[in-house]
Amino acid sequence: DAGVIQSPRHEVTEMGQEVTLRCKPISGHNSLFWYRQTMMRGLELLIYFNNNVPIDDSGMPEDRFSAKMPNASFSTLKIQPSEPRDSAVYFCASTPGGRMNTGELFFGEGSRLTVL
Amino acid sequence: GQQVMQIPQYQHVQEGEDFTTYCNSSTTLSNIQWYKQRPGGHPVFLIQLVKSGEVKKQKRLTFQFGEAKKNSSLHITATQTTDVGTYFCDGQAGTALIFGKGTTLSVSS
Repeated sequence: DAGVIQSPRHEVTEMGQEVTLRCKPISGHNSLFWYRQTMMRGLELLIYFNNNVPIDDSGMPEDRFSAKMPNASFSTLKIQPSEPRDSAVYFCASTPGGRMNTGELFFGEGSRLTVL
Repeated sequence: GQQVMQIPQYQHVQEGEDFTTYCNSSTTLSNIQWYKQRPGGHPVFLIQLVKSGEVKKQKRLTFQFGEAKKNSSLHITATQTTDVGTYFCDGQAGTALIFGKGTTLSVSS
């Protein structure tokens, strides 16, 4: 299996621009997670989906962030408009586990976002 | 809100010394996972603990889950340079998932 695939791996953009990060989970996994990692705040769960339905989006910082999962094989995380404080590594992860025991998370290699 | 505190934040050891990182939760967990992230890499799953008082071993790594299912530890015996990285715990309480901030281990030979 190819693992969780994220794109782009690196993105540099200017403040105010729209950023779209993409994720393809492992085939057959029914839960998908978006995390943000910074030195100051560590790994923060932004949102997670189970069977394409958002279960917990309490970690989404504000209205500038939105996430979608239109089907079982694709998800996007969008930031509009982007700000310098959004600079971070964004990880997508998937798991075959259920809501009450997610078990092992399989992480993608991350998308490193820099907002100037 | 629910928190998982992980200590220490950083640890430097000489190769061959032991290392331990601890996670303490403000709430009872249903399970806890441990991950390792190498510099510049992504978190990689190490193990899951589910039962109260559970102890699991993987070669030089020993994982424990407390009796009250509120704390956990990872102990590495005789560290090697390949153990360098950040170790995270990830606790689950209901549908809530909470990562600790990690312990970054450096090892000098």
